[in-house]
Amino acid sequence: DQQVKQNSPSLSVQEGRISILNCDYTNSMFDYFLWYKKYPAEGPTFLISISSIKDKNEDGRFTVFLNKSAKHLSLHIVPSQPGDSAVYFCAAVSTGTASKLTFGTGTRLQVTL
Amino acid sequence: DAMVIQNPRYQVTQFGKPVTLSCSQTLNHNVMYWYQQKSSQAPKLLFHYYDKDFNNEADTPDNFQSRRPNTSFCFLDIRSPGLGDAAMYLCATSADRGLDEQYFGPGTRLTVT
Repeated sequence: DQQVKQNSPSLSVQEGRISILNCDYTNSMFDYFLWYKKYPAEGPTFLISISSIKDKNEDGRFTVFLNKSAKHLSLHIVPSQPGDSAVYFCAAVSTGTASKLTFGTGTRLQVTL
Repeated sequence: DAMVIQNPRYQVTQFGKPVTLSCSQTLNHNVMYWYQQKSSQAPKLLFHYYDKDFNNEADTPDNFQSRRPNTSFCFLDIRSPGLGDAAMYLCATSADRGLDEQYFGPGTRLTVT
């Protein structure tokens, strides 16, 4: 039972354009959402998060949008850079479960020149 | 640099032969986690330690055990590895439970022959 779904296993975007990575969840108890970025041979690193009391959080080139009614969130990267090429994991937390992260399967982003 | 270190990075073991994976951290974090990630799947939490308090996930097989002899070190023991246990094993730490950011190590890729 996949509670956090990233339906696009891969995405290719040209440098300078917008990258949009999508994530859907099914558990209505999730109230905090995170994006992690993973380079090959490294562990995932935290990128950006959003609480369910917000619908947008922005950090530089990265913005996360949350649509609670649709149980959908997205990560926007503008402008995309070659160094953004990595696997991006969406993760969700129910704050009543002591920080247990439920991850999606990841989307591999390739930013081309 | 403070970090999460996993040794070895690659481990090959035989079917049924016990194996131990190691994780150490220089962050002095209270919480340490072990995740299993199979190919093209989401990382899945096996268990975590909050200080010395061990918290097992309900669906973690009994074949998987963990030890945390001190704040810095945590071990994952697989008592009788099966072919289905071949995966990437990720260790992570966080300062506290709740919404504290998790810091991941690079992972150990386990092969079972």
